[in-house]
Amino acid sequence: GQQVMQIPQYQHVQEGEDFTTYCNSSTTLSNIQWYKQRPGGHPVFLIQLVKSGEVKKQKRLTFQFGEAKKNSSLHITATQTTDVGTYFCAGPVQGGSEKLVFGKGTKLTVNP
Amino acid sequence: KAGVTQTPRYLIKTRGQQVTLSCSPISGHRSVSWYQQTPGQGLQFLFEYFSETQRNKGNFPGRFSGRQFSNSRSEMNVSTLELGDSALYLCASSRNRGATDTQYFGPGTRLTVL
Repeated sequence: GQQVMQIPQYQHVQEGEDFTTYCNSSTTLSNIQWYKQRPGGHPVFLIQLVKSGEVKKQKRLTFQFGEAKKNSSLHITATQTTDVGTYFCAGPVQGGSEKLVFGKGTKLTVNP
Repeated sequence: KAGVTQTPRYLIKTRGQQVTLSCSPISGHRSVSWYQQTPGQGLQFLFEYFSETQRNKGNFPGRFSGRQFSNSRSEMNVSTLELGDSALYLCASSRNRGATDTQYFGPGTRLTVL
């Protein structure tokens, strides 16, 4: 079945360093969503990308959707301790079954 | 607007028992999806309900079931609990059906099976 793969699984950075997580799908996605889950919390929606090659920014966060709509990335510039958490990408399964398939997430820790 | 609420927040059961978890979506949201989250498997889709009908189901055994009421509130039931069912169970609501709509997650129910 369709899978959404995320790398890396873990990332530890020093505060102020940049961070990137990558998401790849085995099939073309109609859209991709990104969520953040703080330690002990629940996933919170960050953004949705729909168009091929789309780039969206939220302050220090930059989201990209690949031209083929099979991959996406989230880049954080100059990480802060508030960025700690697990970042998930999610895409819909093709064929109209309309269920979100989540990647396993990238757990980010930031050393102050 | 109140967020998604889940009850109970924590639950301890023993093998063989059954459990019912409840989810109240955001007012006006008609879709409720359930996910199981474990450290090893991540977020796994259980099922989605829309207008009181199950619209989609993940790859879980029949011990996992759910339903949705006319007010969009949803319950999931796990029968004959196994140790491996220990997990965080999250529900998420969205205004409309489908994976193109933003999912608003509740705080989850932490289930421990002893």
